[in-house]
Amino acid sequence: DTGVSQDPRHKITKRGQNVTFRCDPISEHNRLYWYRQTLGQGPEFLTYFQNEAQLEKSRLLSDRFSAERPKGSFSTLEIQRTEQGDSAMYLCASSLVAETYNEQFFGPGTRLTVL
Amino acid sequence: GQNIDQPTEMTATEGAIVQINCTYQTSGFNGLFWYQQHAGEAPTFLSYNVLDGLEEKGRFSSFLSRSKGYSYLLLKELQMKDSASYLCAVWDSNYQLIWGAGTKLIIKP
Repeated sequence: DTGVSQDPRHKITKRGQNVTFRCDPISEHNRLYWYRQTLGQGPEFLTYFQNEAQLEKSRLLSDRFSAERPKGSFSTLEIQRTEQGDSAMYLCASSLVAETYNEQFFGPGTRLTVL
Repeated sequence: GQNIDQPTEMTATEGAIVQINCTYQTSGFNGLFWYQQHAGEAPTFLSYNVLDGLEEKGRFSSFLSRSKGYSYLLLKELQMKDSASYLCAVWDSNYQLIWGAGTKLIIKP
């Protein structure tokens, strides 16, 4: 399978715990995005990387959220001191910057439930 | 602010045609995407429009009018498997995707 993969697919945690999610993009893609999606809403942009550089981070993102892409390949998203409001689907997408447009390919998502 | 509007839900009959509208107000425009998302799954790409006019791809077509800030997705010969949410997203001046909340399409036999 050469698509975008995410791990874990589901995570249940207690409020106050830290969680970390992993995303493996399509191998030749240089851009990697993190989104959060709640029921009945479209994806909400969190942050994105071009290679290993984090180029933009949403102003809505609290300092409890941090993302890395150390070698320009896989990425991790960590949420510290989770809150019930963090419960959502966390989506990762990757793309290859091209001359025309960069279609984003999404992974299956990690569904986080904070009790 | 940036805003993308789509109807929340639509219902159509198997075999029929449905048009899902999207209006947008964004800081700049570098193209408009339509994605399909089945319940519990990730969005999958359907179409991209950057110039005015109609793009046809099989049973699905997408139209764009940049002057009106308007797009629609046209689905023909509806099948039960087309039941899904359809998301409109605009690539703004910073090349960020701004997403609508999606239109839930219900297909009835």
